[in-house]
Amino acid sequence: DAGVIQSPRHEVTEMGQEVTLRCKPISGHDYLFWYRQTMMRGLELLIYFNNNVPIDDSGMPEDRFSAKMPNASFSTLKIQPSEPRDSAVYFCASSPNRGHGYTFGSGTRLTVV
Amino acid sequence: GESVGLHLPTLSVQEGDNSIINCAYSNSASDYFIWYKQESGKGPQFIIDIRSNMDKRQGQRVTVLLNKTVKHLSLQIAATQPGDSAVYFCAEFGNAGGTSYGKLTFGQGTILTVHP
Repeated sequence: DAGVIQSPRHEVTEMGQEVTLRCKPISGHDYLFWYRQTMMRGLELLIYFNNNVPIDDSGMPEDRFSAKMPNASFSTLKIQPSEPRDSAVYFCASSPNRGHGYTFGSGTRLTVV
Repeated sequence: GESVGLHLPTLSVQEGDNSIINCAYSNSASDYFIWYKQESGKGPQFIIDIRSNMDKRQGQRVTVLLNKTVKHLSLQIAATQPGDSAVYFCAEFGNAGGTSYGKLTFGQGTILTVHP
């Protein structure tokens, strides 16, 4: 299995632009998670899905952030409009069930200038 | 609040020594704990896990200890190698109602540096 695949690996964008991060979970994993990692706040859970349905989005910082999972093999995290404080590494992770360790992707390093 | 914290943000050891990384958690309802290793430029990688009905679990060169009485978790790495240098995170899984249910919450991490 190729693991959790995220794209792009790096993204540099200007403030105000729309950014879309992509994730392909491991086949057969019913749970998908989006995390954000910064030096100041560590790893923060933004949102997670179960069977493509958003279960908890309480970690999404603002309305500028949105996430979708149109099918079991694809999810997006969108920021519109982006701001410099959104600069971070965004990780996607998936899990076969609730009580199991997550497998993380390699992350997308986002820089908003 | 419900949080996971680490006592030591950095740990430096000599190659061949044993390393111990500690973690305190605050949610007594958590029933599942995981240690992750994160190398530079990579995502967190699963190392070992333990459920709340156990107090010790061993893997290859790693041992996790759980003390539910004092809500403490530790990761022991035997014969530490330079390749073990990374940031180590403990994470807890909430099992009660409320905001932590069904979610893995990470501690701040400990930087382990292994000197040859």
